[in-house]
Amino acid sequence: AQTVTQSQPEMSVQEAETVTLSCTYDTSENNYYLFWYKQPPSRQMILVIRQEAYKQQNATENRFSVNFQKAAKSFSLKISDSQLGDTAMYFCAFMRNTPLVFGKGTRLSVIA
Amino acid sequence: GAVVSQHPSWVICKSGTSVKIECRSLDFQATTMFWYRQFPKQSLMLMATSNEGSKATYEQGVEKDKFLINHASLTLSTLTVTSAHPEDSSFYICSAGPDNYGYTFGSGTRLTVV
Repeated sequence: AQTVTQSQPEMSVQEAETVTLSCTYDTSENNYYLFWYKQPPSRQMILVIRQEAYKQQNATENRFSVNFQKAAKSFSLKISDSQLGDTAMYFCAFMRNTPLVFGKGTRLSVIA
Repeated sequence: GAVVSQHPSWVICKSGTSVKIECRSLDFQATTMFWYRQFPKQSLMLMATSNEGSKATYEQGVEKDKFLINHASLTLSTLTVTSAHPEDSSFYICSAGPDNYGYTFGSGTRLTVV
C-alpha cells in the first residue's frame, strides 16, 4: 500500500520569505499523480499544485513550485514570497487510480 | 474549474436522530465520489468510495449501517449518519471526480451531535 510522509508537523516563515515543505512517499508504481492541497481555517481543501510522475519537469503555479525527485520518492513544495494568506494546513497526497492517500499535514504559519 | 457543492455546511442534531449530507458536482459528471472524516488537527480519513449506480465500498472500521452512502446519479452522492451520537460529531468532506485536475473537494460539513 502507498504511504505518504510529511515529517514537519509545524513550520513558520516570515512574510515575503521562502519556505519549503517536505513530503516523501512509498510506492512500487511507475505512473501516478502527486498533489499538494491547502486547507485554510475555513477547512476548504484547495488544490495548490499537481505533478504527473511521468513528467520530469517540476510543476509550478505562480509562487508555488515543487521539487519532484522520482527516484528518491520525494515531492517538496516551495512557497516563494510568502503571504499571510498562505497560513494553512498543507497536505501532500498521492494518487494511483483512486483514492487519494494523504500525509498527516504540515501546519504553516506566515508571520508578519 | 470544477465545482463541488456540499450541503449543509454545518448541522446540529439531537442524539438518536439521523442527518443527511449532500455532495453535488455542479459542472461535471462525477463517476466516483469519496467521503472523508476529519478530526481536529488531523488529516483526512477516507470513510468510503461511492461509484454511481453501485454500492459504496467502505474502509475497514467504518460502520456501513451507521454511515449510509447513496450515489444515485452522476452529480449527487449523499451520506446519512443514522442514529447519531456525540462521538459522530466531526467534520465530513466529500470529493468528486475525476475531472481535468483529479478530484475536487466540497466545502465540508461540521456535524455536532448533542
